[in-house]
Parts: sequence; structure tokens; C-alpha cells
Amino acid sequence: AQSVTQLDSQVPVFEEAPVELRCNYSSSVSVYLFWYVQYPNQGLQLLLKYLSGSTLVESINGFEAEFNKSQTSFHLRKPSVHISDTAEYFCAVSSNTGNQFYFGTGTSLTVIP
Amino acid sequence: GAGVSQSPSNKVTEKGKDVELRCDPISGHTALYWYRQSLGQGLEFLIYFQGNSAPDKSGLPSDRFSAERTGGSVSTLTIQRTQQEDSAVYLCASSSDRPRSGNTIYFGEGSWLTVV
Repeated sequence: AQSVTQLDSQVPVFEEAPVELRCNYSSSVSVYLFWYVQYPNQGLQLLLKYLSGSTLVESINGFEAEFNKSQTSFHLRKPSVHISDTAEYFCAVSSNTGNQFYFGTGTSLTVIP
Repeated sequence: GAGVSQSPSNKVTEKGKDVELRCDPISGHTALYWYRQSLGQGLEFLIYFQGNSAPDKSGLPSDRFSAERTGGSVSTLTIQRTQQEDSAVYLCASSSDRPRSGNTIYFGEGSWLTVV
């Protein structure tokens, strides 16, 4: 089975500052990695995902994440955040052998004006 | 449909009553998932359907919880004799194929259940 750890439950950051949301996973098999975002009072939406190939993946709104196999990490970064980025962010993992998506407990990002 | 549709969006029920939550996945999606999201608890896996069968229902918390899927489409999650600890948002998600293919899952907006 796999598991996901998001160490930071809450991350406050000032507008236009950089941010990193940490995600670590454990798995004995090859994994697929995802970041989902949940804006207030909305459902979860896919932000970006890693399946294979280039370890750096990007979203359309400026977020990026890098798959690091040796550190079993998939941290999410943005060089300059906006107020509209305030949301809950979930890291998730699935594998080529399992039936589940495993989610972390989420990181609440609050962007301060 | 265009997205995953869940109903009701909000449900308040008395302790001890049964509730049914409905999920209509994206058309053509064979895989369907139920998750529970409690305040500060993240997403808790409940059950996974592939077609009409449930190869993984390991996350159902007790025998008061059951789910079915008919016609490879709509799914119903039933909670019998509800308890206050069942209060949570119940999320349904679907994907075009099983997780081992690296498919993305798409979520509905959830059914918010409050047991009083």
C-alpha cells in the first residue's frame, strides 16, 4: 500500500511571495502523483500530475511540482502567489498495481494581502 | 454528464435514521470512488467500483455503510442508523479507467451530511 504525508497543515504567505507545499509519499512500487486544489465551498480539482518522463510538471496557473524519487517527494511550488490561490491543497498517489488513490491530510494555503 | 453530480448537496438527519447519497459519474467512466472528508481529517477512502463490482471496499467504516452501483453508472451510498460521527462531506469521484493506468479522478462537489 501507499501513503502520503503533508507535513504542513497550514501555510500563511504574503501576496507575491514564493511558496512551497511539501508532500512525501511511501510506496514499494512505481507511483503516479497528483496535486488537487479545493477552493472554498467547491469540490476538488486536479492541479497537476506526474505519470512518467520529465520530473518537473507544471499547471496552467503557475504552480509546478518536481518528482524526486530518491527523496520520495512531490513538493508543490509557486514563485509568486496571488490572493486567488487561497485554498486547500491535497497531494495524492496511486500506483500501477493498486485500486486506490491515497490522499494526504491537506495543506491550507492562505495568501495575505 | 459534463461532471460528477452528487445529491443531495446538503442533508440534515436525525440520529438513528438512514440516509442515501447519490452519485452520477461522468458519462463513460468505469471507475467510481467514494471518499469521506471530515474537518481536519483529509480524505478517507471508502469504496471503489469498477463497473458494477466493488473490488475494494476496505474503507467502509462499519456494517452500517453500504454502497451499490447499477448499470455501470449511478452509485448510491447508504448509511443506516446514522450516528453523529457520520457527519462529514461525502465525496464521489470517477475516472475513465482503473487507477493503475495513471488515470485522473474527477470529483463531485460532495454531499454535506449533518447528523443531529
